[in-house]
Amino acid sequence: LAKTTQPISMDSYEGQEVNITCSHNNIATNDYITWYQQFPSQGPRFIIQGYKTKVTNEVASLFIPADRKSSTLSLPRVSLSDTAVYYCLVGAGGFKTIFGAGTRLFVKA
Amino acid sequence: EAQVTQNPRYLITVTGKKLTVTCSQNMNHEYMSWYRQDPGLGLRQIYYSMNVEVTDKGDVPEGYKVSRKEKRNFPLILESPSPNQTSLYFCASSLSGQGPTEAFFGQGTRLTVV
Repeated sequence: LAKTTQPISMDSYEGQEVNITCSHNNIATNDYITWYQQFPSQGPRFIIQGYKTKVTNEVASLFIPADRKSSTLSLPRVSLSDTAVYYCLVGAGGFKTIFGAGTRLFVKA
Repeated sequence: EAQVTQNPRYLITVTGKKLTVTCSQNMNHEYMSWYRQDPGLGLRQIYYSMNVEVTDKGDVPEGYKVSRKEKRNFPLILESPSPNQTSLYFCASSLSGQGPTEAFFGQGTRLTVV
């Protein structure tokens, strides 16, 4: 399983775009990159998943460079309700799953 | 509504008293998994199951048992709970253990062992 490295915490203000980068130098050919969001005392919630280039859905974008050794989750115009912990996971599916410590995003008014 | 349901949500018990935390999913998912979450340690995988009667250890399986007799249920069993098993537990399921897939998590079970 590829190990991931993310910043421990980030601060932002409402209305700003937030980019959280995850490093995964040992990503395997068949690995996908998945991001989850977790609010206090709740289970993680799937945000976005990708394999290469760019993926966009209604809540976020995921940018993956050609070498796939890193990825960036982009949250457009964050609000106070986006304050949460964001986890980057790398893998080819179920089996063992490693979440890591995640990035604690704090959005200020 | 598609969901993963854990019970109970909160539980306080005494050391050594066997307990079971239930987990049920209504999405016909093959893959299910249990995690514990402790401050500063993120989520750590306890056990996972690829399908009925197929289970395997995650990173922190000591002190826990699981079973997968039916596709929808994946109970977590603590035969003799100890205070170091005080934690927040999450059950998750996904369509398959193969390839990219989205995991759905339960609401969590906060367990305190005194």
